[in-house]
Amino acid sequence: KQEVTQIPAALSVPEGENLVLNCSFTDSAIYNLQWFRQDPGKGLTSLLLIQSSQREQTSGRLNASLDKSSGRSTLYIAASQPGDSATYLCAVPNNAGNMLTFGGGTRLMVKP
Amino acid sequence: NAGVTQTPKFRILKIGQSMTLQCAQDMNHNYMYWYRQDPGMGLKLIYYSVGAGITDKGEVPNGYNVSRSTTEDFPLRLELAAPSQTSVYFCASSRTGVYSYNEQFFGPGTRLTVL
Repeated sequence: KQEVTQIPAALSVPEGENLVLNCSFTDSAIYNLQWFRQDPGKGLTSLLLIQSSQREQTSGRLNASLDKSSGRSTLYIAASQPGDSATYLCAVPNNAGNMLTFGGGTRLMVKP
Repeated sequence: NAGVTQTPKFRILKIGQSMTLQCAQDMNHNYMYWYRQDPGMGLKLIYYSVGAGITDKGEVPNGYNVSRSTTEDFPLRLELAAPSQTSVYFCASSRTGVYSYNEQFFGPGTRLTVL
């Protein structure tokens, strides 16, 4: 059974710092990996989706990398801003391809 | 487009009561999903549907029922509510399944408390 873990569970950084969020998964035979952002009291917004054949995806100040062989993905946020404060979740499809398995999320706070 | 809408936003139920959480999407998506999110945890799939008239169980289906009579709507029914069903419920939709490049779009959630 696929398990997805995100460490740390919470992170607080000063504004302007570059930071890395980690996501690990136990079954490396994934088809893709998605990173989501969740604001307090809101639903999830998809940030980046990396196909298994890709090594990384970029969107603005966000860069997500994928290393299937080691079962890891990282989300790099450059020049962090207070508006980046949110919970970030990663998710991968299960083997049957009928659902996403989510990590527990990393709650990020960027202090002005 | 309104995207994915959910009603109600908040609800308090007594143990043993029943209710239906409504979900609708206007993007003509075939796939729809119901998740629950417990505090500090990721999302767990309750039920999903690949099209009108077709539903299937997810990871945590016990205590819930769904129906999909139209492409747009995917209601979630709670029968005999229990405190363990206190959670935030999210509905999502996507054009194709999780193996594709299509992202899932999420509704704002329904916060349910069972006392």
